[in-house]
Amino acid sequence: DADVTQTPRNRITKTGKRIMLECSQTKGHDRMYWYRQDPGLGLQLIYYSFDVKDINKGEISDGYSVSRQAQAKFSLSLESAIPNQTALYFCATSDSSTDTQYFGPGTRLTVL
Amino acid sequence: GESVGLHLPTLSVQEGDNSIINCAYSNSASDYFIWYKQESGKGPQFIIDIRSNMDKRQGQRVTVLLNKTVKHLSLQIAATQPGDSAVYFCADLRDNYGQNFVFGPGTRLSVLP
Repeated sequence: DADVTQTPRNRITKTGKRIMLECSQTKGHDRMYWYRQDPGLGLQLIYYSFDVKDINKGEISDGYSVSRQAQAKFSLSLESAIPNQTALYFCATSDSSTDTQYFGPGTRLTVL
Repeated sequence: GESVGLHLPTLSVQEGDNSIINCAYSNSASDYFIWYKQESGKGPQFIIDIRSNMDKRQGQRVTVLLNKTVKHLSLQIAATQPGDSAVYFCADLRDNYGQNFVFGPGTRLSVLP
């Protein structure tokens, strides 16, 4: 969905490096989410934010941090990347009046 | 949705046939369900949703059936087309993490010419 963009689309990094993935949306939604997707597994929630001042841990938040810089921007950081964080990362947004989440195109992260 | 391990179930259908993709969920308190389609290299796309007060909902060429008794959800695609080839997964809304979804691992649909 072009209304939700993620940068970069692909990133290769080394163990121990700090990485930031960025998400921007033009849908005007107040809620934003970060998920990771591993082969053969469902999307797993890392962090979510219901508005700029609200940040919540998801089921797999260890090793990750987030920042909600504005309603339209939600970034995910890996402070010290490790190989098992190699995955596809998706940002999603939703409006508080509905439950449907809209996803960005994803970032493929490889940690060597 | 439930995790079924590292290997995605695969469904192969002939072009023009109907497809049925199944999903089981575990939380009897879940009250909202969505089917997503994910094409290679893209993010999940919303297809259709259903609330727990309904048993069936129809969209364009797609129908979702919900059986709350056995906690089962299915997606039916009529007259399957090559462009339907993708991974399909269900998600159920539960409030363990404050109104957020749990996603199944998905089923890979391959449409044969």
